[in-house]
Amino acid sequence: SQKIEQNSEALNIQEGKTATLTCNYTNYSPAYLQWYRQDPGRGPVFLLLIRENEKEKRKERLKVTFDTTLKQSLFHITASQPADSATYLCALGRGGSARQLTFGSGTQLTVLP
Amino acid sequence: EAGVAQSPRYKIIEKRQSVAFWCNPISGHATLYWYQQILGQGPKLLIQFQNNGVVDDSQLPKDRFSAERLKGVDSTLKIQPAKLEDSAGYLCASTVGGGMETQYFGPGTRLLVL
Repeated sequence: SQKIEQNSEALNIQEGKTATLTCNYTNYSPAYLQWYRQDPGRGPVFLLLIRENEKEKRKERLKVTFDTTLKQSLFHITASQPADSATYLCALGRGGSARQLTFGSGTQLTVLP
Repeated sequence: EAGVAQSPRYKIIEKRQSVAFWCNPISGHATLYWYQQILGQGPKLLIQFQNNGVVDDSQLPKDRFSAERLKGVDSTLKIQPAKLEDSAGYLCASTVGGGMETQYFGPGTRLLVL
């Protein structure tokens, strides 16, 4: 069956450092992969999308890589700030006319001042 | 542009009672999704609508859950009767459709079944 695994434990890092979150998947061939941010009591907010034929995407302090051979995506936040503290969700996208996402369980990131 | 609206934000009911959640997607968004999110887990798709038609309801527990989107705009998700294990967040999301992948989520409804 399909399985998506994110960092198994919460991640604590010091302000100013780079946070790296992992997303590994099995038994899945996604057309694209997305990262979302979720704050307590709120719905997820879209951050970045990367397609199966792309290796890397950047947006401001965010960078995502996608290795379809390793079946892995890495999500980086550079120069992290306490405001980056949240849960980050990896979501794999199925192509075709019915665009659907399958979410991982998320990684809780805490940036310490 | 207004975001996805959901109500109520919180609901506490006893088991075997019924409950309904409402969602109003972003104006013009043809595709609407309902997700269930258990604490500590990622959202799990329950049902997907394209306009007022169901695209996928394969993960909807149809013995107790139902959903409709009659006029292709707002949608209602109902649970009847509720079980303890239905305690979770219920998220509504929408997309423009036509192959666009980014989903816009509402704030969700937190349900507690006692």
